[in-house]
Amino acid sequence: ETGVTQSPTHLIKTRGQQVTLRCSSQSGHNTVSWYQQALGQGPQFIFQYYREEENGRGNFPPRFSGLQFPNYSSELNVNALELDDSALYLCASSLGLVLGRGGYTEAFFGQGTRLTVV
Amino acid sequence: AQSVSQHNHHVILSEAASLELGCNYSYGGTVNLFWYVQYPGQHLQLLLKYFSGDPLVKGIKGFEAEFIKSKFSFNLRKPSVQWSDTAEYFCAVNAKGGFKTIFGAGTRLFVKA
Repeated sequence: ETGVTQSPTHLIKTRGQQVTLRCSSQSGHNTVSWYQQALGQGPQFIFQYYREEENGRGNFPPRFSGLQFPNYSSELNVNALELDDSALYLCASSLGLVLGRGGYTEAFFGQGTRLTVV
Repeated sequence: AQSVSQHNHHVILSEAASLELGCNYSYGGTVNLFWYVQYPGQHLQLLLKYFSGDPLVKGIKGFEAEFIKSKFSFNLRKPSVQWSDTAEYFCAVNAKGGFKTIFGAGTRLFVKA
């Protein structure tokens, strides 16, 4: 157990719909990152939130958006779902350090949400 | 741009065999390096990490990895694998001061009992 919980565990959506995935960070962690893991691939970085603000983004279109709340829980929203969005979505929490002073500590992952778009 | 390359996508070993999984990264600056493992049906968990200091790092379950800066490599090793090591292994890197961790495509290890 990592203390990072994600919900729901599985989800089936229709192309064009919108989806919200949720993540509860490990206690004391102020940084959350979201990853997309397609079948047979490694996790791909979507974005990261640090103290409620986005502080980095990977190569994902704007229809992927997120939020981090004061209690450091987080949401990933995906609009206008496409078939290729079918994947395992992972949330990882960590205790962020000040940027430029050595990077971040290790990240703890949740079990993920398996999204299937049909 | 940063990238991580894992040389083997699938590895099959017998119990007690030695393991070495290759990982090379592409980045010109100072990095943090990680190996994560994903057992069947479980979440990603950290095996070991390198931030600084001794380039030979030891992790959980008898795993170790060596950072060779000149080769941009961070290979994972275990002298004698067990059936319970069957899992997928991911090498990952983030730049010191950076905000994202880049993962390799993973290596699926199957250990025959």
